[in-house]
Amino acid sequence: EAQVTQNPRYLITVTGKKLTVTCSQNMNHEYMSWYRQDPGLGLRQIYYSMNVEVTDKGDVPEGYKVSRKEKRNFPLILESPSPNQTSLYFCASGRTGGTRSNQPQHFGDGTRLSIL
Amino acid sequence: GDSVTQMEGPVTLSEEACLTINCTYTATGYPSLFWYVQYPGEGLQLLLKATKADDKGSNKGFEATYRKETTSFHLEKGSVQVSDSAVYFCALSDRIIQGAQKLVFGQGTRLTINP
Repeated sequence: EAQVTQNPRYLITVTGKKLTVTCSQNMNHEYMSWYRQDPGLGLRQIYYSMNVEVTDKGDVPEGYKVSRKEKRNFPLILESPSPNQTSLYFCASGRTGGTRSNQPQHFGDGTRLSIL
Repeated sequence: GDSVTQMEGPVTLSEEACLTINCTYTATGYPSLFWYVQYPGEGLQLLLKATKADDKGSNKGFEATYRKETTSFHLEKGSVQVSDSAVYFCALSDRIIQGAQKLVFGQGTRLTINP
């Protein structure tokens, strides 16, 4: 079954304690991306990756890091979390190529982070 | 930059009512348009899409038509069910390098259907 798997699903932690949210996909997709979802703001892109070792900033990258050492994995790292990073996070993956931007992205079930 | 505006929610309807969720967009190019649905506790799922002007996307009784002249992509369903209760996101994508899409989302509209 095609899946994007995020872990953990829920996390409550404290300011400044480094954390990593993992994301793995089994569809051999080149493109992976992280979004955060906040009330009234929809989803905003944090970082994306076009392929292994190729990553770039999205619209709200401050306070986050990512890495893409393997094609299937795209972890999101919060080196020093702060309360304004309390949010619902989604990982997504998709195919690249073609002349039209019409490839749908597949989303994980989300990770709810609370930073106290 | 590109943006998507959806009608304010929440929207509450009775079962079998007609549904319209408005969505308008601004974009510099010729984006593809999507509706995603998020059921409670789950991630986003693609509901339907349209890739060029006048295309109609449809799925599960939902429809949306890509209207370039009004820059709109309104979601419609003739008779909603309780199981349609979810958050609906309108989104557009513009091609970035190598053909991958950058999705720009609206703020989401929460739909509740009462029996």
